[in-house]
Amino acid sequence: AQTVTQSQPEMSVQEAETVTLSCTYDTSESDYYLFWYKQPPSRQMILVIRQEAYKQQNATENRFSVNFQKAAKSFSLKISDSQLGDAAMYFCALHPNFGNEKLTFGTGTRLTIIP
Amino acid sequence: DSGVTQTPKHLITATGQRVTLRCSPRSGDLSVYWYQQSLDQGLQFLIQYYNGEERAKGNILERFSAQQFPDLHSELNLSSLELGDSALYFCASSVGLGTGAETQYFGPGTRLLVL
Repeated sequence: AQTVTQSQPEMSVQEAETVTLSCTYDTSESDYYLFWYKQPPSRQMILVIRQEAYKQQNATENRFSVNFQKAAKSFSLKISDSQLGDAAMYFCALHPNFGNEKLTFGTGTRLTIIP
Repeated sequence: DSGVTQTPKHLITATGQRVTLRCSPRSGDLSVYWYQQSLDQGLQFLIQYYNGEERAKGNILERFSAQQFPDLHSELNLSSLELGDSALYFCASSVGLGTGAETQYFGPGTRLLVL
């Protein structure tokens, strides 16, 4: 079984600043995939970034990057140059590789952007 | 727009009733997943279908059932509804090759309110 823990229910950041959202996980699988999804007020689930556990290099998507620490089972999301449109719930999620693609989600972090 | 469509957007019904939620996956995707997002349980995986066959089952109640049709659209049937079934129900789809290296794209969700 997999578990995903997001210990920060709420975070806030000034516009244009940088913020880091934390995520830890537990799995017995040696290979797996990690994701950050964003859920704005519209409630749509939007993929932000994806990390393959077998890759040492941290994934980056424009202003979004991750700090993946496999030994520590940590997967944090860094948002640079925060914009008002980044305000949303952010969910960390995991699924094992090969034939078991069900996503296990954390409880989410609500990010507020302060103008 | 993820390319995944769900109908209806909103559904209000009474306890004891039965409803059907519909999902059309992205063009070319063979796997469909159903998730439930409620205030007390967070985001929970319900069930996955791949090319018409059930592939994985999660925390799905016996009162709930699903199927995937030959045209790959899927329906989630909820019966004997209870107040606690009120939630946002998401459908997601992926290519479904089973390599694990796939992203699930979410539909806009169906908001169910049981009165």
